Amino acid sequence: RKEVEQDPGPFNVPEGATVAFNCTYSNSASQSFFWYRQDCRKEPKLLMSVYSSGNEDGRFTAQLNRASQYISLLIRDSKLSDSATYLCVVSSAGTGANNLFFGTGTRLTVIP
Amino acid sequence: DAGVTQSPTHLIKTRGQQVTLRCSPKSGHDTVSWYQQALGQGPQFIFQYYEEEERQRGNFPDRFSGHQFPNYSSELNVNALLLGDSALYLCASSLVGGGRTDTQYFGPGTRLTVL
Repeated sequence: RKEVEQDPGPFNVPEGATVAFNCTYSNSASQSFFWYRQDCRKEPKLLMSVYSSGNEDGRFTAQLNRASQYISLLIRDSKLSDSATYLCVVSSAGTGANNLFFGTGTRLTVIP
Repeated sequence: DAGVTQSPTHLIKTRGQQVTLRCSPKSGHDTVSWYQQALGQGPQFIFQYYEEEERQRGNFPDRFSGHQFPNYSSELNVNALLLGDSALYLCASSLVGGGRTDTQYFGPGTRLTVL
C-alpha cells in the first residue's frame, strides 16, 4: 500500500468555483502534513502546512483528521492562476530526520 | 537570500554511464534531501544528509550514493544508469538540529534523460 494516496484527477473547474482535494495516508505515526503546489516542469513549493485544528490561508483551507488518516484541501473562488498539480505530503516520524512522502498529485485546471 | 540551487539543469546520458548532480542548500540550512520524480508521479525520497552523513535512506539501490560537504552542499551520484533512471531529481534543504525540524524547500531540479 502506498504511503500517501490521492485522486490524480484531473479536475477541470470554472473560475470562481470551489474545489476540494482529499488524500489518505497509511502510517499512523506520521508527524507532519503539508500541501505542496507544483507547476508544470517546476519544483514543488509549499502551499500550506496542515494541522488537526484546521487552518486557513486566504482562499485555501486545509484539514487533518488523524483518526481517519485523511487530509483535505479546499480552494474557494478558484483563479486561473490556481491551475497546477497539488501534492499531498506526509512527513515520517524519524529520529530527527524528516523525509517527505508525496502522493502522486492532483491536477487542477481552472477554466475561464 | 539565495534559495536552493541545483546543477546542471538538464543532462543527457546513455545506459551504463555515471552521473553526478549538485545541490547548494538555502542559506542557513544544514540538511539536504534528494528526491526522484518520474513523469506523472510524486517525488520519491532517495536519502537525506546531515553533518556530512547519510541520516536516512529510501528504497533505492546502492547505485545511488551521495555526499555532503562541510559547507552543506551535496552531490547525488548514480552509477550504471538505467533507462528507468530518467526523471527530475530534486534537492530539498531544511534546518534540522537537536531534533527540531523545519520546512523543506526545493530547488528547481535536474532533468536527467538516459538514452
